[in-house]
Amino acid sequence: DTAVSQTPKYLVTQMGNDKSIKCEQNLGHDTMYWYKQDSKKFLKIMFSYNNKELIINETVPNRFSPKSPDKAHLNLHINSLELGDSAVYFCASSQGNSPLHFGNGTRLTVT
Amino acid sequence: GEDVEQSLFLSVREGDSSVINCTYTDSSSTYLYWYKQEPGAGLQLLTYIFSNMDMKQDQRLTVLLNKKDKHLSLRIADTQTGDSAIYFCAESISNSGYALNFGKGTSLLVTP
Repeated sequence: DTAVSQTPKYLVTQMGNDKSIKCEQNLGHDTMYWYKQDSKKFLKIMFSYNNKELIINETVPNRFSPKSPDKAHLNLHINSLELGDSAVYFCASSQGNSPLHFGNGTRLTVT
Repeated sequence: GEDVEQSLFLSVREGDSSVINCTYTDSSSTYLYWYKQEPGAGLQLLTYIFSNMDMKQDQRLTVLLNKKDKHLSLRIADTQTGDSAIYFCAESISNSGYALNFGKGTSLLVTP
């Protein structure tokens, strides 16, 4: 009965590869998010998305793209991975301005 | 954008009270939040406060809000070793689809 689930939990890949992280929420929320947590535990918003609007943090490289096949899913696709992309990526969802519910994170390691 | 500020570390003895402070940036934030992150885990919502309140109590947790100074605090009474974690303060971001802007997190260490 996990509310926000992400796969995979761990992802190890080489520089230059393209990878995707999947996220699904079963809460019926209308907005989903991707956050990046770096090695110092700092959390930064990357994207927020509902079926009407995508809001992108201007600091996010365009190698990162969110893809939403339906309201319950928001996947994160990353092209041409770089060493600096290594981090923990968190998916979250909310309904209106209710609190965000987070997934357990995907630890990405780029070698 | 501007940073939500928190002290990075706090160490307390078991049974004492812990107070974690936060200074936020957006005076138009409707809600302010405290999240907890245990090692290797995701973020767990602890509590939140509506911006027109100045205090909220929930069992061992007390949140104080000083809107004039944009200061938020979290007090944990009778702190236990299981409370050791990183605590994040967060504010809602204007014009962002309800995304949250997080502080850098305060690592709380509770010693026996």
